[in-house]
Amino acid sequence: QSVLTQPPSASGTPGQRVTISCSGSSSNIGSNTVNWYQQLPGTAPKLLIYSNNQRPSGVPDRFSGSKSGTSASLAISGLQSEDEADYYCAAWDDSLNVYVFGTGTKVTVL
Amino acid sequence: QVQLQESGPGLVKPSETLSLTCTVSGGSISSYYWSWIRQPPGKGLEWIGYIYYSGSTNYNPSLKSRVTISVDTSKNQFSLKLSSVTAADTAVYYCARTTVTLPDYYYYYMDVWGKGTTVTVSS
Repeated sequence: QSVLTQPPSASGTPGQRVTISCSGSSSNIGSNTVNWYQQLPGTAPKLLIYSNNQRPSGVPDRFSGSKSGTSASLAISGLQSEDEADYYCAAWDDSLNVYVFGTGTKVTVL
Repeated sequence: QVQLQESGPGLVKPSETLSLTCTVSGGSISSYYWSWIRQPPGKGLEWIGYIYYSGSTNYNPSLKSRVTISVDTSKNQFSLKLSSVTAADTAVYYCARTTVTLPDYYYYYMDVWGKGTTVTVSS
């Protein structure tokens, strides 16, 4: 039940800035913090951003997160080939009582 | 550093019960929440539920009637049981360490993940 909507794909050339949107509602993004996960091909998801804009130790500062109202965004600046992956936003949904993931965005480095 | 490893049968027959275990190494299972997440082939992520080391749980309502998550602190393990499986339950199953604030779930995120284990439901 993907109640968080993301664009299916995004792309850019090396060095460019790419932004991924995540649209939700008052019961999820509007009420709780947003997290972002990166899933490289064939691997488990990895926490990339937590609490809207916090980076875990080891995550490059090329990755940044923001939230406004019922939407959130992930920005990748200085895009690199190793950033090719699927990216998922996620947040707790108070109405559904479920941790919901976004539909996912596949980032391609041209 | 903390590492998680899922284990269990890779093939389960329809109508039977899927059973998986997640072993936590490099740290204690105590004082944390622990989640199960799954990903059907070629699809997105679905949260199954979580357990606190004390045993309290919360399940995805869409799976609640079939899911049981338990913990064994003596073995530093927690487990997932999913009953009456069908082909729709075929997926990669992940376990993950979880940070959550209660009662409002304002903060909820998984910061350490296992590598995942593939479970196929087929006769």
